[in-house]
Amino acid sequence: GEEVAQTPKHLVRGEGQKAKLYCAPIKGHSYVFWYQQVLKNEFKFLISFQNENVFDETGMPKERFSAKCLPNSPCSLEIQATKLEDSAVYFCASSHGLGQDYGYTFGSGTRLTVV
Amino acid sequence: GQQVMQIPQYQHVQEGEDFTTYCNSSTTLSNIQWYKQRPGGHPVFLIQLVKSGEVKKQKRLTFQFGEAKKNSSLHITATQTTDVGTYFCAGRGGSNYKLTFGKGTLLTVNP
Repeated sequence: GEEVAQTPKHLVRGEGQKAKLYCAPIKGHSYVFWYQQVLKNEFKFLISFQNENVFDETGMPKERFSAKCLPNSPCSLEIQATKLEDSAVYFCASSHGLGQDYGYTFGSGTRLTVV
Repeated sequence: GQQVMQIPQYQHVQEGEDFTTYCNSSTTLSNIQWYKQRPGGHPVFLIQLVKSGEVKKQKRLTFQFGEAKKNSSLHITATQTTDVGTYFCAGRGGSNYKLTFGKGTLLTVNP
């Protein structure tokens, strides 16, 4: 399809619980990006994939965050042992390429609330 | 690392007034993109600028890329209530593919 599909739209977790978010990129897009948007609108880059391979994970808090993009499955972002500060909207975006002709198409996001 | 500053943080205008948001990068950019995010929504790609001094227009929106490729602006002429949202610039620097987002400018329009 022509949209990036993110599920669930909302997720509530108790502190210390696991959270798993899903993203189906646009068919034919080779690159997937995860961003965290906190209050005050700041976008924090987490990780990117080129197909199923990690391309850049410099933004990932590696102790608790992990992500995968497996063939024929939605990409996923998993947070083990959530903390209050993980509360944010997590956006997935996909792109056909990385060159200067390509913008990102964002999904509608998953709002994670950690209580 | 690369930083992208965006001002103002907020702008409230009367319908029909003009609006401008400015973006400045700490490093020279290979290109800059602009996105619009409606309240409660997701960022939507508006445009990409690549060339030094480039100016592009989309109806009432005018986008500029500075000569030094370190700054950019988005200008909206005669704002409408449908223009409400947060406008983000996002820069890509040199060989670094990664987009770095500014903090956005929230535009509200009084009808």
